[in-house]
Amino acid sequence: ETGVTQSPTHLIKTRGQQVTLRCSSQSGHNTVSWYQQALGQGPQFIFQYYREEENGRGNFPPRFSGLQFPNYSSELNVNALELDDSALYLCASSAGTGGYEQYFGPGTRLTVT
Amino acid sequence: EDQVTQSPEALRLQEGESSSLNCSYTVSGLRGLFWYRQDPGKGPEFLFTLYSAGEEKEKERLKATLTKKESFLHITAPKPEDSATYLCAVGSGGYQKVTFGTGTKLQVIP
Repeated sequence: ETGVTQSPTHLIKTRGQQVTLRCSSQSGHNTVSWYQQALGQGPQFIFQYYREEENGRGNFPPRFSGLQFPNYSSELNVNALELDDSALYLCASSAGTGGYEQYFGPGTRLTVT
Repeated sequence: EDQVTQSPEALRLQEGESSSLNCSYTVSGLRGLFWYRQDPGKGPEFLFTLYSAGEEKEKERLKATLTKKESFLHITAPKPEDSATYLCAVGSGGYQKVTFGTGTKLQVIP
């Protein structure tokens, strides 16, 4: 069974640029959630995708957007990067919505300078 | 708004010294309470899901319990390899919005 994978591992961007992060879900999982984790904090929910549609969103501005593909892999796009966007971005997959445990990938460390 | 509060923020134990971590929560429509372990710079590793008050789950030296307002993660005779940040989270809503606490950083000293 293949676990959740994310790419790239690390990324350095300049303020104002755009970035795309990628996630491959665990085999058999149809739901992907994205989280932002600042240093010393718990993960903050960005949004969730279920069967290729956004299924819920946290308190993040529209410049955070995403996609889910037919194979349930997913992308997180962030436009107009700000310094505060520097964080560990985590992808988690689950077998469905509502009460299913989520399995996390290793994360992408984004640094905005 | 769902809220999760974990205490203590940090805990330092001698190897073999048992203790408990606390997770207090307020949520509308609990779909599950989750415990994760996170090592520095890595993604959280799933430990347990608890669904209803009175439920208990065990894994090696860890035991998680749930009441209507809080959950405890009991660590029995911890070893240095148990050192990590332990995160508590609650799932709610139809689409399973998951709200995390800020974690308890556990250090086990040999």
